[in-house]
Amino acid sequence: QSALTQPASVSGSPGQSITISCTGTSSDVGGYNYVSWYQQHPGKAPKLMIYDVSNRPSGVPDRFSGSKSGNTASLTISGLQAEDEADYYCTSYTSSSTWVFGGGTKLTVL
Amino acid sequence: EVQLLESGGVLVQPGGSLRLSCAASGFTFSSYAMSWVRQAPGKGLEWVSAISGSGGSTYYADSVKGRFTISRDNSKNTLYLQMNSLRAEDTAVYFCAKELYNSGMNGMDVWGQGTTVTVSS
Repeated sequence: QSALTQPASVSGSPGQSITISCTGTSSDVGGYNYVSWYQQHPGKAPKLMIYDVSNRPSGVPDRFSGSKSGNTASLTISGLQAEDEADYYCTSYTSSSTWVFGGGTKLTVL
Repeated sequence: EVQLLESGGVLVQPGGSLRLSCAASGFTFSSYAMSWVRQAPGKGLEWVSAISGSGGSTYYADSVKGRFTISRDNSKNTLYLQMNSLRAEDTAVYFCAKELYNSGMNGMDVWGQGTTVTVSS
């Protein structure tokens, strides 16, 4: 159960767009449309932002979007806002009937 | 209001045992799969275990298989994690999380605030 690969950090200015990648294998990201993304502010519980690759739960702004191509999933945040600064984690269902998380990406809003 | 409240985290010696609890409210507990996810100090999230709504199916990360047991009491709306043979590397904040659906594959939409487990002599 190797962790999915995410960049350690990304940054952007307010109003800009950023994309966070999440690379796995055909046994997880590439094999299922069950990729989800979580936002975590320091000292807080994670919050679901995207599920099933590209679906947003109720209450999540449409500035957040998800996609997948092959073994790589992506989270795009458009119109960056200061409150978007947080850690972001991807996760995927796997062929072993388990979940695997990415290592996390720290988003800095400049 | 949908809510999850974990408890049971303490300081325990290596080799010791501990049972975490997660009390659920505000939704039909038995209709949803549930998971435990942990976060070691300064580290990322790690999925630990999941259980179906009925409790009939359970799943574990390789790192805890054979040492941890997940269970649930749907009459008490409570999720449990029995942790045995604890190691220093099990030190973490443990979150319980509600799955979006009973299939347990889509994502975790409600999380507790976490309970801290420290394994140290």
